[in-house]
Amino acid sequence: NAGVTQTPKFRILKIGQSMTLQCTQDMNHNYMYWYRQDPGMGLKLIYYSVGAGITDKGEVPNGYNVSRSTTEDFPLRLELAAPSQTSVYFCASSSQPGLAGGGGGTDTQYFGPGTRLTVL
Amino acid sequence: GESVGLHLPTLSVQEGDNSIINCAYSNSASDYFIWYKQESGKGPQFIIDIRSNMDKRQGQRVTVLLNKTVKHLSLQIAATQPGDSAVYFCAENNAGNMLTFGGGTRLMVKP
Repeated sequence: NAGVTQTPKFRILKIGQSMTLQCTQDMNHNYMYWYRQDPGMGLKLIYYSVGAGITDKGEVPNGYNVSRSTTEDFPLRLELAAPSQTSVYFCASSSQPGLAGGGGGTDTQYFGPGTRLTVL
Repeated sequence: GESVGLHLPTLSVQEGDNSIINCAYSNSASDYFIWYKQESGKGPQFIIDIRSNMDKRQGQRVTVLLNKTVKHLSLQIAATQPGDSAVYFCAENNAGNMLTFGGGTRLMVKP
């Protein structure tokens, strides 16, 4: 298994340009996630999906869109790039909520190598 | 709001010593916690996890301790090696399928 793959690895955009960050996983995971990581900071959830055709907003969804037409792919779309979107973007996937009692839980998330995006 | 945080942004240890990385969480409803390791230029890598019905879990050279009374999580690395140098993140599940990540602690191993 290749796990979680992301393309491109690097990209420079001009303000106002658009692009799609690709993410594919071959582990047949239902759950997929997009995070951004600013320099020296932790990860912030942008969007996530619990299965094909279902997506939901995370902590910082503004300026982004996602779609989930297949189990394997979860692209992230930037429509009007802004300097504030300069960051490293990570895609992740997991199999299903955890088995612990007491409510939901996220099973281990496996991360891709990241896409470093710079908006000038 | 609810958050996960770390006490020390940078931890420097001698090779062969044990390392302890700490994490405080604020949501008492969180039921699942994970430690991730992130090397420079790479994505986070799963190290170990623990459910809220446990207070200790051991892996290979790593141990996670959970103290729900004081909402504290720690990662212990035995016999720290140069390859352990990285940024370590704790994360908690407190809202369905979403994880909240802490800010990270950089571990530096001196030869």
